Amino acid sequence: GNSVTQMEGPVTLSEEAFLTINCTYTATGYPSLFWYVQYPGEGLQLLLKATKADDKGSNKGFEATYRKETTSFHLEKGSVQVSDSAVYFCALSVLYYGGSQGNLIFGKGTKLSVKP
Amino acid sequence: DTAVSQTPKYLVTQMGNDKSIKCEQNLGHDTMYWYKQDSKKFLKIMFSYNNKELIINETVPNRFSPKSPDKAHLNLHINSLELGDSAVYFCASSQDLGGTQETQYFGPGTRLLVL
Repeated sequence: GNSVTQMEGPVTLSEEAFLTINCTYTATGYPSLFWYVQYPGEGLQLLLKATKADDKGSNKGFEATYRKETTSFHLEKGSVQVSDSAVYFCALSVLYYGGSQGNLIFGKGTKLSVKP
Repeated sequence: DTAVSQTPKYLVTQMGNDKSIKCEQNLGHDTMYWYKQDSKKFLKIMFSYNNKELIINETVPNRFSPKSPDKAHLNLHINSLELGDSAVYFCASSQDLGGTQETQYFGPGTRLLVL
């Protein structure tokens, strides 16, 4: 089946530290991969995405590369800020039962806390 | 200028009651979704509609019934509420371009507490 596995949180870092949140997936077909972020009390918003192998998604200093050989899509940022504190969700999209509709499947989320 | 809006933001109710959550999007999207986020933050799709037609219907009790009066609205009606229905419910929308590359835009969530 289709699934996403993220590293367990919470992750606590000091400001300007390097961030890695691991994400691996299992999927049939050719999924697209996403990172969504949920700030406290808000809905999810897209952080970045990659739609085919070796694509790199990037936004706001965050990056992730679609690695088909290791079925991974790890999120990285070189220097985190207090404002990056949020829950990060890795997700994949596959066609729903072979139709044309994409179906987002989420990992369990990783809570990041950045201390000043 | 809210893209995806939900009402109410908070809902506290007794077991056995019937309640509705409304969702509206002003993005001109063709597809709308309902997700449930449990207390451990795990997020799972419940339904999706494309142009008022049900597309995704995951294993959800039939006490939950989505209703789409037009493609800008997708409401969720829940009958005979149970304690286990307590969660945050998110509405989302996406443009219908087909395939897996669509970005979904989420509403702020409705926090439902069943007592």
